[in-house]
Formats: sequence, structure tokens, C-alpha cells
Amino acid sequence: SAVISQKPSRDICQRGTSLTIQCQVDSQVTMMFWYRQQPGQSLTLIATANQGSEATYESGFVIDKFPISRPNLTFSTLTVSNMSPEDSSIYLCSVELAFSYEQYFGPGTRLTVT
Amino acid sequence: GIQVEQSPPDLILQEGANSTLRCNFSDSVNNLQWFHQNPWGQLINLFYIPSGTKQNGRLSATTVATERYSLLYISSSQTTDSGVYFCAVEQNNAGNMLTFGGGTRLMVKP
Repeated sequence: SAVISQKPSRDICQRGTSLTIQCQVDSQVTMMFWYRQQPGQSLTLIATANQGSEATYESGFVIDKFPISRPNLTFSTLTVSNMSPEDSSIYLCSVELAFSYEQYFGPGTRLTVT
Repeated sequence: GIQVEQSPPDLILQEGANSTLRCNFSDSVNNLQWFHQNPWGQLINLFYIPSGTKQNGRLSATTVATERYSLLYISSSQTTDSGVYFCAVEQNNAGNMLTFGGGTRLMVKP
């Protein structure tokens, strides 16, 4: 398995501002992902964070709104830009271990936009 | 894309009861995982089970890949089992992307 930490664990932000969420893994992993979980809903994949290149975004998510960085094999950031109340969600990072299809999730960042 | 349906959507049990949660998926998969999301939001891996049967304590899971479903069994339920159970699948050739079902929200009453 892997130990995954996220910062911040929660935040309350004003409309129109941006928040950067950090994800740190205790070992090198090839695959890192960012998910969103809206209140009372299931998880939806935002993007795959690629090391050294642009992230791969899923339908409905764009780089201008959710810029992602992955400077190395253990760290990634997700920025939620120009926030609106509709962005209030839990944002989770996950990793897939080498030689395995299993994904492990961080504790999540609970974001409230007022 | 692949469709993942979980049933029942909600379940209330008395402590000590057994239950079966179901996950149906619409296409072939090379990855199927069951997760438990606790009341604090943390997703905990229960099983990686693209096929076959596994057991871990009071929990067990069975995936019949040819018939495109998986079952999660909870025996002698405890209040700490409360939360949301998610099934997630990775479609063949889908580039490691997990698609989640809608979840089963379980409440175990003392």
C-alpha cells in the first residue's frame, strides 16, 4: 500500500478566489489521479496527473479551471481556480502502485466556497 | 463509457445482521475494487477483486467477470461498518481510469 497525505484537509474560500491542494505520497508511483466528490454523490475523475507533462483531463474538466502540476513521482498539486459555490466538494488524490491496478486514496480536502 | 450500478442505494441494518451489496457493470473490466468511505470521508480499500472470491475477516467479495457483477458480503455487522460502500471498475484499455458506482449507504444501528 501507500501512505498519502493531502493539504489542506479542509478550507472555506470566497467566491472568485483560487485554492491549491497538495498531495504527497511516501513512495514513487507511476500514476496519480485527482477526483471530485460533490455532496452526497459518488466520485468523478478530474484528471490524470502526468509526471513532467500536461495532465490528461476527463470530459467536463478543463485545464484553465483545474490546473494540475506533477513535478516528480511523489508529489502533485490541483488548483481550483475562480471558485464558485458549485465547486464545494471533497477533492481526493489517488495513486496506483507499480505492477498493480490497485488505487489508494488520500484523506481528501473538503472545500466550501461561500 | 462503462456503466456501474450498485444496489441497494440505502441499507439499514441492526447490529449483528448480515448483508449483501451488489455491483453490476456494463463491459469487461481488468480492475474492480471495493471501497468503504467512513463518516470522515476517508476511502479505505476493502478488496481488489477483478475475478474470484476473497475474504478478509467479516467481509468477503466475489466477482463473476463473465456475468459482469460483483458482490460484497458483510457478516455480523457492527456500527463501525456504517458509511458508504463504493464499487469501482477499470474498463479494459481505459488507461487506468476508475469509474465509480453510485454507492450503497449503510447504517448499522446498535
